[in-house]
Amino acid sequence: DIQMTQSPSSLSASIGDRVTITCRASQPINIYLNWYQHKPGKAPKHLIYGAASLQSGVTSRFRGTGSGTEFTLTISSLQPEDFATYYCQQSYSVPRTFGQGTKVEVK
Amino acid sequence: EVQVVESGGGLVQPGRSLRLSCEVSGLNINSYGMHWIRQASGKGLEWVSGISWGGSSIAYADSVKGRFTMSRDNAKNFVYLQMNSLTTDDTALYYCTTGGGGGTYGDFFHHWGPGTLVTVSS
Repeated sequence: DIQMTQSPSSLSASIGDRVTITCRASQPINIYLNWYQHKPGKAPKHLIYGAASLQSGVTSRFRGTGSGTEFTLTISSLQPEDFATYYCQQSYSVPRTFGQGTKVEVK
Repeated sequence: EVQVVESGGGLVQPGRSLRLSCEVSGLNINSYGMHWIRQASGKGLEWVSGISWGGSSIAYADSVKGRFTMSRDNAKNFVYLQMNSLTTDDTALYYCTTGGGGGTYGDFFHHWGPGTLVTVSS
């Protein structure tokens, strides 16, 4: 199985900050990498597919980069609605696997 | 608007069975892979099972293989998760999602339901 490792596990940031989350795959997965946003009490929301393609309706504040084993999610200017937990997920093979999550909290 | 609604969760004793249902509206699921994903309290997201658009390919997480069975009824726009030999480790909120993009199961988890809570306890 492909292991996905995110860093950091949590971070504190202020409105307007640039935030970067890293995701590493245990083996090369090309660009078969997705990012999700999850807020308490709500269903997760798909943000990015193919490592860098923005899902329809998602703000361009979110940017994904990477290929192979190293990927990043960047939030260019943190807004109040962006405080949440973010997960990466590989779709290269089954079983599908998620990173452990990165919680973005208010500083 | 696509809506996904899970049902069938509840309190069940260890060793017993439960069947979850997932109804999709606003989208004909017969062209899409479908998935079940769960989240235990205080834990991250865990993929449980996925099924191809026609049902010919089904995959499971190692943690549920041999105990859970996923199926679909495209005519009714439903998918199901039959869960047998439940343990306390299966306690979680179970989400149903549509598979977006290409590939056998879809490349991403697109439309999500609010989840149905399964509690396994004596």
